[in-house]
Amino acid sequence: DTEVTQTPKHLVMGMTNKKSLKCEQHMGHRAMYWYKQKAKKPPELMFVYSYEKLSINESVPSRFSPECPNSSLLNLHLHALQPEDSALYLCASSQPGTSGFAAYTQYFGPGTRLTVL
Amino acid sequence: GIQVEQSPPDLILQEGANSTLRCNFSDSVNNLQWFHQNPWGQLINLFYIPSGTKQNGRLSATTVATERYSLLYISSSQTTDSGVYFCAVRLRQGGKLIFGQGTELSVKP
Repeated sequence: DTEVTQTPKHLVMGMTNKKSLKCEQHMGHRAMYWYKQKAKKPPELMFVYSYEKLSINESVPSRFSPECPNSSLLNLHLHALQPEDSALYLCASSQPGTSGFAAYTQYFGPGTRLTVL
Repeated sequence: GIQVEQSPPDLILQEGANSTLRCNFSDSVNNLQWFHQNPWGQLINLFYIPSGTKQNGRLSATTVATERYSLLYISSSQTTDSGVYFCAVRLRQGGKLIFGQGTELSVKP
């Protein structure tokens, strides 16, 4: 099974709301990722978790807060977002390698399409 | 940092036609992936191909790592092949994927 699932598929929220995006994989992968993708652009990396620890934060604003409760789950908590944060949010997973998981395929979920009003 | 360039940026084909998409990268890479992003946003793995040639049905890919390019071939295209094709290379540290800007393919019936 090479499936990464994400919920919800669509989310509309106001600038004062708090919401969470969820991602799950059952491939035994120990590296998980959040990406943001704007229309007509490639995905941009936001966060990387390796063995449930945050290993990379690509200078993402603090209104985005990631969490990795266990090896299968990844959450992205959203608070006080701006309209420009509207985008497709993609989760991915891969096996970590011995030197920064360079050698393994990364699998993506279907994404959550977020609209901030 | 490493640059990843894809060409052409846009491509329109009649159903049944063949096409070649190209990905150039500016430095040595440990690995390379090709993805298809369908109109609903799902990024689908096509190939993991740091070097050599692979085939999967009507699709095949070739990476010549020493010359820093990869090619994706689509034969007998179908309307379901429409979408954006991304090439992405991976850095050793942090598993970071560097994406190209994509090739947007539209296959007309």
